[in-house]
Amino acid sequence: GQNIDQPTEMTATEGAIVQINCTYQTSGFNGLFWYQQHAGEAPTFLSYNVLDGLEEKGRFSSFLSRSKGYSYLLLKELQMKDSASYLCAVLDSNYQLIWGAGTKLIIKP
Amino acid sequence: GAVVSQHPSWVICKSGTSVKIECRSLDFQATTMFWYRQFPKQSLMLMATSNEGSKATYEQGVEKDKFLINHASLTLSTLTVTSAHPEDSSFYICSARSSSSSTEAFFGQGTRLTVV
Repeated sequence: GQNIDQPTEMTATEGAIVQINCTYQTSGFNGLFWYQQHAGEAPTFLSYNVLDGLEEKGRFSSFLSRSKGYSYLLLKELQMKDSASYLCAVLDSNYQLIWGAGTKLIIKP
Repeated sequence: GAVVSQHPSWVICKSGTSVKIECRSLDFQATTMFWYRQFPKQSLMLMATSNEGSKATYEQGVEKDKFLINHASLTLSTLTVTSAHPEDSSFYICSARSSSSSTEAFFGQGTRLTVV
């Protein structure tokens, strides 16, 4: 079956760095997405990785290792507004998005 | 990025009535639209995939007669929750993709449905 694993909840301090991991087992792979979702709102796109390596975009970076079925989202200089759920999703061989359950990130002052 | 508009943002209805949710792609043609349901503190659950001009493909466990999906044009898909019950109360989100092999899907704002 297809499976995406990410931690349920993480806590970090304002100004610090946090890494949210995601491991996946899917039928085929056409890329991995990270989305941010604030409570009561739809997800918003953060990053897309299809090749191995690190993609940096401002305070957010995303890493992919296809051989290990592993990705992480790195958030630097954390701000209170970064408190949200972070969803990992993989596009499988049928171009269907397989969603992880999301990681709730709590930022403390 | 492309814009997907979902309406209404929230709706309260009486048990037994039907509710229609619209999803529009404003600046691109959406050949494929997805409908998700999300319960509190849970991830998105795909309900169905619809391609313009053809019948929707429903995920296992989703009643197609209860959740009617129409994708009549390249810019509009609708989800109708028929004979709604309190257990249908949820956050419904649509997303649209410009082609079957496109890698990115764009999300609507979501609709909070409360059935009383």
